[in-house]
Amino acid sequence: DTGVSQDPRHKITKRGQNVTFRCDPISEHNRLYWYRQTLGQGPEFLTYFQNEAQLEKSRLLSDRFSAERPKGSFSTLEIQRTEQGDSAMYLCASSFADYGYTFGSGTRLTVV
Amino acid sequence: AQSVAQPEDQVNVAEGNPLTVKCTYSVSGNPYLFWYVQYPNRGLQFLLKYITGDNLVKGSYGFEAEFNKSQTSFHLKKPSALVSDSALYFCAVREHSWGKLQFGAGTQVVVTP
Repeated sequence: DTGVSQDPRHKITKRGQNVTFRCDPISEHNRLYWYRQTLGQGPEFLTYFQNEAQLEKSRLLSDRFSAERPKGSFSTLEIQRTEQGDSAMYLCASSFADYGYTFGSGTRLTVV
Repeated sequence: AQSVAQPEDQVNVAEGNPLTVKCTYSVSGNPYLFWYVQYPNRGLQFLLKYITGDNLVKGSYGFEAEFNKSQTSFHLKKPSALVSDSALYFCAVREHSWGKLQFGAGTQVVVTP
């Protein structure tokens, strides 16, 4: 494992379409986090998992957003009925216990 | 609730001069503090963290940070800046040893030759 992998790196979609992003964490990391970053802003917390359990969700995560982490390994973040305001960089990070996060390179979403 | 403030949107420094990026925080208990750096179109890279112990924390690439509990600050420093240090720097805090990080808005560092 060389780090956290995110796929795709870039996604352009039409408004109203559904999109799904994937994150593969470092294999021994039991915690996985999703953040959203817009231009000129710091990352905003969306949700996090410990193993397969989703322990916290931000109010930013509307009912159009859903995240899963089956079997406590990779995670997916789905956005249904995308809106232009969803355009952002979606960052995934993983950690083990109380060590610092390791971030992936992110998925840049553009909704046109 | 936890929060972080980075009062400077941008810091300009000449190569070879000392670099300081400011950060203040607010938490209800003992803070867990972090600094990350972000290069264009990339994810965040971990620089250093303060959990407990010595107030001066040394991290990657020659960076260090000083934890000051009375001033609730955690400023990032580098004695001699390089052009390659030009990037976006984020301070982050959390209240527990686990869980979500609260990030500041970021400070753009520009190092000129």
